[in-house]
Amino acid sequence: EAEVAQSPRYKITEKSQAVAFWCDPISGHATLYWYRQILGQGPELLVQFQDESVVDDSQLPKDRFSAERLKGVDSTLKIQPAELGDSAMYLCASSFGRGPYNEQFFGPGTRLTVL
Amino acid sequence: AQSVTQPDIHITVSEGASLELRCNYSYGATPYLFWYVQSPGQGLQLLLKYFSGDTLVQGIKGFEAEFKRSQSSFNLRKPSVHWSDAAEYFCAVTPTQGGAQKLVFGQGTRLTINP
Repeated sequence: EAEVAQSPRYKITEKSQAVAFWCDPISGHATLYWYRQILGQGPELLVQFQDESVVDDSQLPKDRFSAERLKGVDSTLKIQPAELGDSAMYLCASSFGRGPYNEQFFGPGTRLTVL
Repeated sequence: AQSVTQPDIHITVSEGASLELRCNYSYGATPYLFWYVQSPGQGLQLLLKYFSGDTLVQGIKGFEAEFKRSQSSFNLRKPSVHWSDAAEYFCAVTPTQGGAQKLVFGQGTRLTINP
C-alpha cells in the first residue's frame, strides 16, 4: 500500500540552528501539505502545494520557515533559525487533487525538539 | 469566530463498552465534516466524512458519526470498543464558504481503553 514517507522521524536541535524535514508523497498525488502539530493540539496547516506551486502559506512564519517542492514531487520544509517554540510534530500529507473531496493521506511525522 | 471544538480532552472506557466522542463546530454554513484517528507513531487516518445527505455516516473500523444540524454537532460513536482503538481522535472541518478551503482540526480527544 502506498504511503507518505517522511524523514527524519525524530530531530533534536539547539535553538538558532537550522533544521530540514523531507517528505515524499504518494506517487501521482499533485497536492502536498505541511502541518505543524503542537503537543496537545490538532494539526495546523503551514503550507499547501499544488504541483510545484504554493497555493496557501498564510500560516507559515516566513521569517524563519521555508518550503519548496521544486519538481512537484518530494518536498522540504526548513526552519532557520530554530526557536524553542518550534518544538512540535511536523506532518506531511498528500492528496490526488485539491479540495475537500480529495482525501488527505498523512505520513508518520517528524518530531522536532528544540533545546 | 469560526471554530471546531472537542469538549473532552481525555476519555477512558472499558473494553467492550460503547463510545461517543463529541465534536461541535461554529460556522455560518455547515462545513464539510471529518473524523481522523492518530495512533502512536503513525500518521492520521481518515475514519469517515460527511458532505451532505444521510446524517448517519458509516466509517472504517466499525465507527459511525451522526450530523445534527440543530446542535452543530458531529459526534463519533462505536458500539463496542477494542483495546486497539486506544488513540487520539480528531474532528476536522473544511468551510464550504470563503476562500480558505482547508482542514481545520479540533484539539483532539485522547481515548484510553481499560482491559
